[in-house]
Amino acid sequence: QSVLTQPPSASGTPGQRVAISCSGSSSNIGWSIVNWYQQLPGTAPKLLIYANGHRPSGVPDRFSGSKSGTSATLAISGLQSEDEADYYCATWDDSLNGWVFGGGTKLTVL
Amino acid sequence: QVQLVESGGGVVQPGRSLRLSCAASGFILSRNGMHWVRQAPGKGLEWVATISYDGSNKDYADSVKGRFTISRDNSKNTLYVEMNSLRAEDTAVYYCAKDLGGQHCSGGRCHSYGMDVWGQGTTVTVSS
Repeated sequence: QSVLTQPPSASGTPGQRVAISCSGSSSNIGWSIVNWYQQLPGTAPKLLIYANGHRPSGVPDRFSGSKSGTSATLAISGLQSEDEADYYCATWDDSLNGWVFGGGTKLTVL
Repeated sequence: QVQLVESGGGVVQPGRSLRLSCAASGFILSRNGMHWVRQAPGKGLEWVATISYDGSNKDYADSVKGRFTISRDNSKNTLYVEMNSLRAEDTAVYYCAKDLGGQHCSGGRCHSYGMDVWGQGTTVTVSS
């Protein structure tokens, strides 16, 4: 069982907006920053959002992140078929003294 | 461009040891913290270990503490993880990842910003 809680699945149709949640506690999300990673089938994870809401160069502005209290959200607008992937949130846990990941959310584009 | 290439994976019997390597190129390894993250078959991501840019600080997940050792040779642009007393539950794809750089601090405590670029992974299977 993961320290961070994500819904196991999410779905949307092309062009729609989808939001994926990540719930934690005061010792992790409430204290630290949140990163989001995208893992396309059969490939390594790729950094999508860092420090709650910053996009690395090359990541489309369709992807956005936010944090409030002990929860974080990844939003994808203008959904495209190539967005079909697993998405993971990650943060530092001050009690565990280490990085923790959410269980992952499998996004399906219908 | 930044590239990380893991090697050293394979099939190993329970209780044996294995050393993974991660060759870095396209950036100055000595200026960056580095991480190992693993993914068991069909499962999510699990952080394994982190080492600071100069090797002076190391953190481990409880699941590997005392069995795994992370290290680096900046002169060879290579990151390592020595895995001892391997168990079936250590079976996974092991990824090395470069740290984003910088630190987040709160209440007098600081940590890195986490994993940035990832390698393609190397597979470790622990089985008799």
